[in-house]
Amino acid sequence: EAGVVQSPRYKIIEKKQPVAFWCNPISGHNTLYWYRQNLGQGPELLIRYENEEAVDDSQLPKDRFSAERLKGVDSTLKIQPAELGDSAVYLCASSLDRRTEDTQYFGPGTRLTVL
Amino acid sequence: KQEVTQIPAALSVPEGENLVLNCSFTDSAIYNLQWFRQDPGKGLTSLLLIQSSQREQTSGRLNASLDKSSGRSTLYIAASQPGDSATYLCAVRNNAGNMLTFGGGTRLMVKP
Repeated sequence: EAGVVQSPRYKIIEKKQPVAFWCNPISGHNTLYWYRQNLGQGPELLIRYENEEAVDDSQLPKDRFSAERLKGVDSTLKIQPAELGDSAVYLCASSLDRRTEDTQYFGPGTRLTVL
Repeated sequence: KQEVTQIPAALSVPEGENLVLNCSFTDSAIYNLQWFRQDPGKGLTSLLLIQSSQREQTSGRLNASLDKSSGRSTLYIAASQPGDSATYLCAVRNNAGNMLTFGGGTRLMVKP
């Protein structure tokens, strides 16, 4: 069974440029999560989707970040414009549904460097 | 707001040693606690999940305990091997929602 797929794996951009990350969750998983992990820290949730609905986006900086999950499968996270402080690893995870006992499966992440 | 702390932040041990990683959390109203492993440049892999009603879980050389009332969990690794070198993260899931709150991780290095 294929795991969570993310692309690109690495991205280097200059500040003020836009950037987008893509995630393909495990087939059949209804819940999708985007996390940001700063160097030396644990991941922090940015947004959670139940199918195509964003049900928890309280930690998403809405002035520059946006996300979508069309058709309730793949998801895209966008930053426009990027700032130096956005340099981090962006992790995508999925789970079968939103039950608290469900395990989240993580992708390898996209490492973003903003110069 | 739930806060999760892991001690130590980094640990280096010789191969064969038994070791303990610590995790503490401020809000004891949790559904479960999970230990993850993260290798450089890779995502997180779930190691053990302890439900709030459980006291411990074991998988091979790994044993995780949970003391919900004191807000603590430990991950015990027996007979450590160089292949155990990675960052270990604990995360708690609160009753209030489905969100995972992570600690900062412990970077483990096991020397041959």
